Amino acid sequence: QKEVEQDPGPLSVPEGAIVSLNCTYSNSAFQYFMWYRQYSRKGPELLMYTYSSGNKEDGRFTAQVDKSSKYISLFIRDSQPSDSATYLCAMIRGGSNYKLTFGKGTLLTVNP
Amino acid sequence: DAGVTQSPTHLIKTRGQHVTLRCSPISGHKSVSWYQQVLGQGPQFIFQYYEKEERGRGNFPDRFSARQFPNYSSELNVNALLLGDSALYLCASSPGTVNQPQHFGDGTRLSIL
Repeated sequence: QKEVEQDPGPLSVPEGAIVSLNCTYSNSAFQYFMWYRQYSRKGPELLMYTYSSGNKEDGRFTAQVDKSSKYISLFIRDSQPSDSATYLCAMIRGGSNYKLTFGKGTLLTVNP
Repeated sequence: DAGVTQSPTHLIKTRGQHVTLRCSPISGHKSVSWYQQVLGQGPQFIFQYYEKEERGRGNFPDRFSARQFPNYSSELNVNALLLGDSALYLCASSPGTVNQPQHFGDGTRLSIL
């Protein structure tokens, strides 16, 4: 079993839809959670960085963490064609750990 | 402010050759990490350097090595290239080492023929 599981999709939605992206993890040592967006032929761009269970909102993006279920989500409201990209979840163990562990990424297409 | 910069952007090599990839972190960032991303997968951790010292190593063979310079820039070296080394090599920087978000460059796309 992989440490981080993420449905690779692809996911296709119409413009204006609410998008839900999810990851599950198996190691309760993961304490910090991130979502990155990666456009084709570009590096990952940090979207959200969270620690505690609950919700964190930034504009049209909401990150949700449920440590008891080992489940994290990213919601995109009013999706735009410019949101079309691969979305990667990533995690860090607590303490002095430094290594990001990524999911496979979900390819999202928002159709105008 | 400039983000993480990597060079070259693309590289084509043949099996058995050696390659050096370069990374300049965001100004003020002292930590640099290297990741390998093969097509259709998430990035895999290779190394982290902080204050010129190796602080972590992923599950990669000894053919992979790296170093960090006094100005915090870094090089990743790969010897005896194999076809399976074809990937996007990403560099990420962060202010320090502990539980801080990492910011990525656009990577070097390495193709092995």
